Amino acid sequence: KAGVTQTPRYLIKTRGQQVTLSCSPISGHRSVSWYQQTPGQGLQFLFEYFSETQRNKGNFPGRFSGRQFSNSRSEMNVSTLELGDSALYLCASSMSNPPGNTGELFFGEGSRLTVL
Amino acid sequence: SQQGEEDPQALSIQEGENATMNCSYKTSINNLQWYRQNSGRGLVHLILIRSNEREKHSGRLRVTLDTSKKSSSLLITASRAADTASYFCATPSSGANNLFFGTGTRLTVIP
Repeated sequence: KAGVTQTPRYLIKTRGQQVTLSCSPISGHRSVSWYQQTPGQGLQFLFEYFSETQRNKGNFPGRFSGRQFSNSRSEMNVSTLELGDSALYLCASSMSNPPGNTGELFFGEGSRLTVL
Repeated sequence: SQQGEEDPQALSIQEGENATMNCSYKTSINNLQWYRQNSGRGLVHLILIRSNEREKHSGRLRVTLDTSKKSSSLLITASRAADTASYFCATPSSGANNLFFGTGTRLTVIP
């Protein structure tokens, strides 16, 4: 069974630009969540999608958005990029998680974004 | 913040020694999980312990959970150079569908 696939793996953007990152979950997994990892803030939850619906959102500005398609693939978008958006963006998939009892997450290798 | 904290932040040991890292969290939980991350890569799930369990083993890993102290520990026995990585504890968000991750322990195993 193929793992979680994230594209692109590395990208460089300049301030003010926008970026779209893609995530293909493990086949059969309907929940996809996104995390931002930086040296200063660690791993921070961005949002979680299940059956094309955003169920939860972390404490990030509206410049960060996402969506999920009918085949469970997900994209996240960051508009008007700032230097502080430089980070490793990680996507994770799972079968389904009851609220408050999230089980094992399967992570992709991440997309390393550098904003200049 | 519900984010947990891990201790120590960094740990350096010789191959063959045991490594112990600790995690503290802030709210009541249904489970606690440990993940490993090799430098700049994705996270890999290691083990999940439920709130009604006190200890769990998986290969060379031993995890304990003390819900009264809101703490957990991960023991890696007979460490290998390949165990060099960052280790994170994670707890489910109350009422939501995400995990809160700790600050991580950077483990270096010297051959």
